[in-house]
Amino acid sequence: GENVEQHPSTLSVQEGDSAVIKCTYSDSASNYFPWYKQELGKRPQLIIDIRSNVGEKKDQRIAVTLNKTAKHFSLHITETQPEDSAVYFCAASDNDMRFGAGTRLTVKP
Amino acid sequence: GAVVSQHPSRVICKSGTSVKIECRSLDFQATTMFWYRQFPKQSLMLMATSNEGSKATYEQGVEKDKFLINHASLTLSTLTVTSAHPEDSSFYICSARRGTGGEKLFFGSGTQLSVL
Repeated sequence: GENVEQHPSTLSVQEGDSAVIKCTYSDSASNYFPWYKQELGKRPQLIIDIRSNVGEKKDQRIAVTLNKTAKHFSLHITETQPEDSAVYFCAASDNDMRFGAGTRLTVKP
Repeated sequence: GAVVSQHPSRVICKSGTSVKIECRSLDFQATTMFWYRQFPKQSLMLMATSNEGSKATYEQGVEKDKFLINHASLTLSTLTVTSAHPEDSSFYICSARRGTGGEKLFFGSGTQLSVL
């Protein structure tokens, strides 16, 4: 089955700096790669996603890149703000959706 | 947008009792629903995948007789934790998908189960 690895587990940045979170996946059949933001005790919220036929996607301060050959994808957040502080999960899906271990992002004002 | 409702949001029960959690897709038909379990400060662990009208597919290590999943309609899936033990205490969250693989998931709000 699919195995998703995510790094780093924790990330602390100053407000205004960029944050990068990286994930790798094992199943070459996976074709959909979403990123979720989860605040404590809340449901995960989809922030951006990318499909396997696209290499990069951007939505305002958030971008995702995908390298199918290397089986890795990354989340980039620019101009970080304190409200970006949360746990971020990557996921990979062919039929089932498997999640990475999560990255706790802290943005210091 | 697609809305998934999950109830109850919080339940406290005694050891040995059973607890049922409901997951409903309110404005779309969910061909597939997923049940995840999340321990504090950890990731979402897939427990099982259910398709309407068929038996759920359980992940390795998940006891199907303990975690009963019923996906009786295109808008409702239930998870029943049978004979609950304190180690079953966790955050359970469902998600629903409209189409086949490669479609985004919509999450319920989660259920915090505490077994005394």
